[in-house]
Amino acid sequence: AAGVIQSPRHLIKEKRETATLKCYPIPRHDTVYWYQQGPGQDPQFLISFYEKMQSDKGSIPDRFSAQQFSDYHSELNMSSLELGDSALYFCASSGVGGGAGAQYFGPGTRLLVL
Amino acid sequence: DQQVKQNSPSLSVQEGRISILNCDYTNSMFDYFLWYKKYPAEGPTFLISISSIKDKNEDGRFTVFLNKSAKHLSLHIVPSQPGDSAVYFCAASASYTGNQFYFGTGTSLTVIP
Repeated sequence: AAGVIQSPRHLIKEKRETATLKCYPIPRHDTVYWYQQGPGQDPQFLISFYEKMQSDKGSIPDRFSAQQFSDYHSELNMSSLELGDSALYFCASSGVGGGAGAQYFGPGTRLLVL
Repeated sequence: DQQVKQNSPSLSVQEGRISILNCDYTNSMFDYFLWYKKYPAEGPTFLISISSIKDKNEDGRFTVFLNKSAKHLSLHIVPSQPGDSAVYFCAASASYTGNQFYFGTGTSLTVIP
């Protein structure tokens, strides 16, 4: 079965650079979530989208922005990168719009900021 | 403030025996709970869910029990297999907050052959 796809899988950037992470949800899933997992930490919710509209916002820095496109894929844009942004970024999708439902995670993008 | 807690960072179980992973939460408004497992360098894999209207949900070798009065849920794996060795996360959400899930810090399960 098709799963959540994230690209790139690994990314290395320098401080103050920008990065764009992409997420392709499971077909027919209308909700996308972004999480950040720092080393040795549990995943922290960043932001979610339902039907291309932002549905919930967590601890996402102002330097980050995200959107969901008409084909339901989502992009997380990160600017003015800091060393502390180095983490594993997970995207998840679900098919229960607007409410709680099982979230299926992608493999993650590992971002390293030098 | 950690709203979902997994107080056992690790657990070792003999193959064939039962594994019991525990999770406690503080927010009485949580009404939906999930268990995930995660292998190193991979994304979490959904295992099983339960809503607050039930106290038990079973799927194959995995059973989740919910005790709302104690704000406690547990995941039972029986019989445990070496391939079950992974980090297990519980997560909770409340309908009024929409899609936001709160995760525990995980329990590393090792199943000894």
